Amino acid sequence: SQQGEEDPQALSIQEGENATMNCSYKTSINNLQWYRQNSGRGLVHLILIRSNEREKHSGRLRVTLDTSKKSSSLLITASRAADTASYFCAVDNAGGTSYGKLTFGQGTILTVHP
Amino acid sequence: DVKVTQSSRYLVKRTGEKVFLECVQDMDHENMFWYRQDPGLGLRLIYFSYDVKMKEKGDIPEGYSVSREKKERFSLILESASTNQTSMYLCASSFIETQYFGPGTRLLVL
Repeated sequence: SQQGEEDPQALSIQEGENATMNCSYKTSINNLQWYRQNSGRGLVHLILIRSNEREKHSGRLRVTLDTSKKSSSLLITASRAADTASYFCAVDNAGGTSYGKLTFGQGTILTVHP
Repeated sequence: DVKVTQSSRYLVKRTGEKVFLECVQDMDHENMFWYRQDPGLGLRLIYFSYDVKMKEKGDIPEGYSVSREKKERFSLILESASTNQTSMYLCASSFIETQYFGPGTRLLVL
C-alpha cells in the first residue's frame, strides 16, 4: 500500500542547528502532510503541501516536494529544545474518493540538545 | 480550536474482555479515523468513517469493529481483547484534508 517513509529514523542535534527530515512515497498523491507528536501525545498537523506545489513555508518550517522523485523534505531552522518530538509525513493518495484518508510513515525522532 | 477527546488516557483490560474506546469531536467533521501506533510500525489505520453509520475498513481491521451512531462520536470496539492488541490508540477527525488528533489511549491487555 502507499506509504510515506521517513529518513533518518532518528536525528540528534544541538540547539540552533537546522534539522532536515526526508520522506519518500510510492505512488501519485493529492497532497503530503507533516505532523508532529510529542512523547505519549496525539499528533499535531504542521503543514500541507499539494502535489502541484514545490515549496512551502510556515514560520521556521520549510517543506519541499519533488513529485518526480516522489519525495519531500521538512527543514526546521534554528532548532530549539522544544522542537524535540517525533515527526511524521503522511500522504493522501490521488484518484478516487479518499475521504481524507492518510497513510503515515514510521516517523523521525528528533532530539534537540540545549 | 478543534477538539478531539478520547474517553481514557490509560486502560488495562484482561484477555477476552470486550473493550470500548470512544472518541468525540466538536467541529462537525464528516470524517473520523481510528489508528493504532506501535514502536517501529508508525500509525496504522484500523477503520474510518465518512458519515454517520458509514464505515470503511482500514489496513488492519481484524479483531476490531466500529460504531458511528452520531456525527460527533466514533467508537472502536475490541470484541475479545488479546495481548497483541496492547497498543496506543489514536482517534482523528477531519473535514477535508487536515486530520486533528485526540490525545490517545494507551491500552494494556493482560
